[in-house]
Amino acid sequence: KNEVEQSPQNLTAQEGEFITINCSYSVGISALHWLQQHPGGGIVSLFMLSSGKKKHGRLIATINIQEKHSSLHITASHPRDSAVYICAVARNRDDKIIFGKGTRLHILP
Amino acid sequence: GAGVSQSPSNKVTEKGKDVELRCDPISGHTALYWYRQSLGQGLEFLIYFQGNSAPDKSGLPSDRFSAERTGGSVSTLTIQRTQQEDSAVYLCASSLVGGLMGGTEAFFGQGTRLTVV
Repeated sequence: KNEVEQSPQNLTAQEGEFITINCSYSVGISALHWLQQHPGGGIVSLFMLSSGKKKHGRLIATINIQEKHSSLHITASHPRDSAVYICAVARNRDDKIIFGKGTRLHILP
Repeated sequence: GAGVSQSPSNKVTEKGKDVELRCDPISGHTALYWYRQSLGQGLEFLIYFQGNSAPDKSGLPSDRFSAERTGGSVSTLTIQRTQQEDSAVYLCASSLVGGLMGGTEAFFGQGTRLTVV
């Protein structure tokens, strides 16, 4: 079983829909990141979380440390949000970074 | 430079040849990571450099893979006797301290697409 699991693997939605991508992990962590990988392959870091909730524009990330779960939400989704969204955690026993396999999001106009 | 720079952007090589991939991190970033992403797969950790500490090589898939970081800046990932299964996008990232575990943002390069024929 992977230490970081994301769901769904693939998601297609209409423009304007509210999007939720989930990440569950089974190890103790010092931090969790949400990354966005564009179709061209470039990756940008969206959020770094160790507790609570963060918001940036239409993006919201939450984390529940007790439940070992994080969600990434996109409000008023747009075709330009189409990308692969990756959850990554820093395992606190050895600082090893573990990635989820990503969620491929496709927003239809 | 303004961001993490990788070269070449694309590399096609014959099976059995050696290849070198280069990463120029953001100036002043002490942490540098190499990952690879095979077609349709997630990111796979390869190696991590942090300052002057011994690198974490636990992700290197075989002894054909090696990496070095000279002067705490530029890093080179070398793959010897390439195999077809080495075909992937090789990504480099850097951050100020400790990358994701240090709680600081990691910046990724655009990657090198390696194709072994």
